[in-house]
Amino acid sequence: KAGVTQTPRYLIKTRGQQVTLSCSPISGHRSVSWYQQTPGQGLQFLFEYFSETQRNKGNFPGRFSGRQFSNSRSEMNVSTLELGDSALYLCASSWTSGASTDTQYFGPGTRLTVL
Amino acid sequence: AQSVTQLGSHVSVSEGALVLLRCNYSSSVPPYLFWYVQYPNQGLQLLLKYTSAATLVKGINGFEAEFKKSETSFHLTKPSAHMSDAAEYFCAVSDRGGATNKLIFGTGTLLAVQP
Repeated sequence: KAGVTQTPRYLIKTRGQQVTLSCSPISGHRSVSWYQQTPGQGLQFLFEYFSETQRNKGNFPGRFSGRQFSNSRSEMNVSTLELGDSALYLCASSWTSGASTDTQYFGPGTRLTVL
Repeated sequence: AQSVTQLGSHVSVSEGALVLLRCNYSSSVPPYLFWYVQYPNQGLQLLLKYTSAATLVKGINGFEAEFKKSETSFHLTKPSAHMSDAAEYFCAVSDRGGATNKLIFGTGTLLAVQP
């Protein structure tokens, strides 16, 4: 079974631009969560989608948005990029939302560099 | 609010020595606790998880962790370190009973294994 895939793996943008990152969950998984990983702030939760609905949102500005499609694929968008948005963006998928027995599987991440 | 604290951002052990990575949690209710490992340029891989079934949890690659409510701890151990264990390890907590997969991560511990 294929794992969680994220595209692109690497991305370089300049300040003020916008970017869209994509995540394809494991087949059959309906929950997708996004995390930002930086050396300074560590791993921080961005948002979670389940069956096309946002279930939870982290403490990030409105420039960060996401969505989930009917096939469970998810995208996140960052508008008006800032230097501080440079990070590894990780996506995780699972069967359900909030079930203790469920395991979240992480993708390899998208490394975003903002110049 | 839930939180986890990982003591020691860097730990170095010799090959064959005991590995002990510390994690303390803060929670008003019994939490779900996780240990993840991250190898360079990769996503997170689940090592093990505690969901109140058994206090001693065995994971992959010979790792285990013991949930100690009295000490609010969930330390990760491995009897004998291998060179391939060199990686960054993250302890995480999720809200029990919450309809969300949101994970709150510790700051991570970078494990070095010396030959």
